[in-house]
Amino acid sequence: QVQLQESGPGLVKPSETLSLTCTVSGGSISTYYWTWIRQPPGKSLEWLGYIYYSGSTNYNPSLKSRITISVDTSKNQFSLKLSSVTAADTAVYYCARDRLGLPPDYWGQGTLVSVSS
Amino acid sequence: EIVLTQSPGTLSLSPGERATLSCRASQSVSSSYLAWYQQKPGQAPRLLIYGASSRATGIPDRFSGSGSGTDFSLTIRRVEPEDFAVYYCQQYGSSPYTFGQGTKVDIK
Repeated sequence: QVQLQESGPGLVKPSETLSLTCTVSGGSISTYYWTWIRQPPGKSLEWLGYIYYSGSTNYNPSLKSRITISVDTSKNQFSLKLSSVTAADTAVYYCARDRLGLPPDYWGQGTLVSVSS
Repeated sequence: EIVLTQSPGTLSLSPGERATLSCRASQSVSSSYLAWYQQKPGQAPRLLIYGASSRATGIPDRFSGSGSGTDFSLTIRRVEPEDFAVYYCQQYGSSPYTFGQGTKVDIK
């Protein structure tokens, strides 16, 4: 059974960079796509982007200048960096496994990141 | 960007009743790449339906999806107590992939 776990700071200051890592266990990170999705408190979900295990990426244009997703196959991890954060980036951040032509099936439990000074 | 509009915002039902949730897209969803998720408080979304009508692994057959083009629906044949939750549709055929705003199914 594939499991995903997000990790990283729960509090980030405005204008700084949010950094999260997702560790995949119970299966290899190779072959699949790996996605980041977020959910502001009390709101709907927003797709941020994905990375293929080979390193190719696809980002949401609304974030394109601020977002970077990377993968480390040796550690079975992938990461999210979001620069120049504001209070609007406060959300629960989820990592998920994705497949070509299919929606995300396995999700992490989510981690709340608050942006505040 | 494809905008998904879900209705109603809230659906109040008694256990055993039938639930019909709607998801309308601002443009055609390619290859019926439309999914439905269930989310309970404090939990990650759970995939119910993909490809508009295919149930994900382990999903009870009281859940069914239908539709194509711009109009999709999720039906819960007889709502069980554990089905009270928020339901989201997502299109994953055209980047950026987008979600609807959600329909809350609560107890009448």
